[in-house]
Amino acid sequence: KAGVTQTPRYLIKTRGQQVTLSCSPISGHRSVSWYQQTPGQGLQFLFEYFSETQRNKGNFPGRFSGRQFSNSRSEMNVSTLELGDSALYLCASSLAGQGQGREQYFGPGTRLTVT
Amino acid sequence: EDQVTQSPEALRLQEGESSSLNCSYTVSGLRGLFWYRQDPGKGPEFLFTLYSAGEEKEKERLKATLTKKESFLHITAPKPEDSATYLCAVQAASYGQNFVFGPGTRLSVLP
Repeated sequence: KAGVTQTPRYLIKTRGQQVTLSCSPISGHRSVSWYQQTPGQGLQFLFEYFSETQRNKGNFPGRFSGRQFSNSRSEMNVSTLELGDSALYLCASSLAGQGQGREQYFGPGTRLTVT
Repeated sequence: EDQVTQSPEALRLQEGESSSLNCSYTVSGLRGLFWYRQDPGKGPEFLFTLYSAGEEKEKERLKATLTKKESFLHITAPKPEDSATYLCAVQAASYGQNFVFGPGTRLSVLP
């Protein structure tokens, strides 16, 4: 069974631009969560989508948004990029929604650098 | 305040030298505690899920245990390929059912 895939793997953007990251979950998984990982803050939860609906949201500004499609693939968008948005963005998929104590499986991540 | 902490921050072991990593949490309504391994530049790799105090899980040289306040990841006779950052995550009602990750323990196993 194929794992979680994320594209692109690396991105370099300029301050003020916007970016869209893509995630394809493991086949059959309906829950997709997004995380930001930085050396200083560790892994921080951005949001979770389940059956095309946002079910949970972390403490990030509205510049961070996402969506999920009917095939469970998900995209994350960051508008008006800031230097502090440079991070590894990780997508994780799960069989069930986050509230059901099921493990998440992570993709390889997208390394975003904002200059 | 609800939080997830891990200790030590970094650990250096000689090959074959067993040790334990700690994950402490203060939450209410624990739904699950999860251990992951992360290699540099890669996404976390799932290792174990623990649901209730007293539960234990094993996989090769790793064994995870859970009490009401903390979890231990025991590494028996580690090899250099066990070098990685080990993360624990907690899912609980007090976190709104989100996964909350600890800061991780960087493990280096020297040959």
